[in-house]
Amino acid sequence: GQQVMQIPQYQHVQEGEDFTTYCNSSTTLSNIQWYKQRPGGHPVFLIQLVKSGEVKKQKRLTFQFGEAKKNSSLHITATQTTDVGTYFCADFSGGSNYKLTFGKGTLLTVNP
Amino acid sequence: EAGVTQFPSHSVIEKGQTVTLRCDPISGHDNLYWYRRVMGKEIKFLLHFVKESKQDESGMPNNRFLAERTGGTYSTLKVQPAELEDSGVYFCASSPQGSLHYNEQFFGPGTRLTVL
Repeated sequence: GQQVMQIPQYQHVQEGEDFTTYCNSSTTLSNIQWYKQRPGGHPVFLIQLVKSGEVKKQKRLTFQFGEAKKNSSLHITATQTTDVGTYFCADFSGGSNYKLTFGKGTLLTVNP
Repeated sequence: EAGVTQFPSHSVIEKGQTVTLRCDPISGHDNLYWYRRVMGKEIKFLLHFVKESKQDESGMPNNRFLAERTGGTYSTLKVQPAELEDSGVYFCASSPQGSLHYNEQFFGPGTRLTVL
């Protein structure tokens, strides 16, 4: 079945540094969703990307979908302590198939 | 508006025992999902209900797991008998009946299951 690889598994940064997490798949991704899970919390939807080459921004967060729809990235500019958590990408097939296929997530810690 | 709720938040049981997890989705959400995260691994899909019908149960690991959603409201996930490898966090999520191409899922706080 579909597998989504995500790297790095962990990332520790100093507050103010940038952070990027990457997802890729050997097969074409249908739609990519990104979720954030705070420590002790639950996944919270951030965004969905649909189109090849799509780029979306949410304040300091930039989401990209690769031209071939086989990879995606989330970039955070000038991290803050509130950015701490695990960031997951997930493939959403759409159509009649609503299940999400998640990557393993990237745990981001930020040193103040 | 209340979010997705799950009960219990934690459960510690011995191997061979039975445990039932409950999920109350956001009111009006036809779609309900169960996921599981085993420590250090990805969040894995278990199954998907549309109202009271099982739309996709391809992720259910084996016949020790039984999910129900009678009446199309809350759902239960029963594990009987529990095995050590069933330990993990069980998340429930829900979403409204919407576009085939957009599906924001709202996750509950999860139930942490420990099988000893």
